[in-house]
Amino acid sequence: KAGVTQTPRYLIKTRGQQVTLSCSPISGHRSVSWYQQTPGQGLQFLFEYFSETQRNKGNFPGRFSGRQFSNSRSEMNVSTLELGDSALYLCASSLNRNQPQHFGDGTRLSIL
Amino acid sequence: GESVGLHLPTLSVQEGDNSIINCAYSNSASDYFIWYKQESGKGPQFIIDIRSNMDKRQGQRVTVLLNKTVKHLSLQIAATQPGDSAVYFCAENIEGYSTLTFGKGTMLLVSP
Repeated sequence: KAGVTQTPRYLIKTRGQQVTLSCSPISGHRSVSWYQQTPGQGLQFLFEYFSETQRNKGNFPGRFSGRQFSNSRSEMNVSTLELGDSALYLCASSLNRNQPQHFGDGTRLSIL
Repeated sequence: GESVGLHLPTLSVQEGDNSIINCAYSNSASDYFIWYKQESGKGPQFIIDIRSNMDKRQGQRVTVLLNKTVKHLSLQIAATQPGDSAVYFCAENIEGYSTLTFGKGTMLLVSP
């Protein structure tokens, strides 16, 4: 079974731009969660989608948004990029709550 | 807010030794715990999980122990191998939510 796939793997943007990251979950998984990983803050939860609905949201500004499609694939968008948004963005999928979340290898976003 | 923490940032062991990585959690509402391994350039890899109705669970060369009385979680790796070198994270999940709260991570270094 294929794992979680995230594209692109690397991205370089400048301040003020916006970016869209994509995640394809494991087949059959309906829950998709997004996390931000930085050396200073570690892994922090962004939001979770289940059946195209946002079910939980972390403590991030409204510049961070996401969506999920009917095939469970998910995208996250960050608008008006700031230097502090440089991070590894990780997507994880699971069957449902309280089930193991399996991660992709992330998108490394660098803001210049 | 409450978060999961780790006692040791770096653990160095010799190949063949047993390794123990510890984790303290503070949220008494957490009922599901996961250990992840993260290698350089990759996303977190699921190792083993345990639910709050258990105090021990074994996998292949790994054992997770849960002590709810003192809110402590540990990961034991038997016969540690150089390929086990990575950063290990514990994560907690509160019942009914899909949000994982991660600890800061422990780097395990295995010398041949």
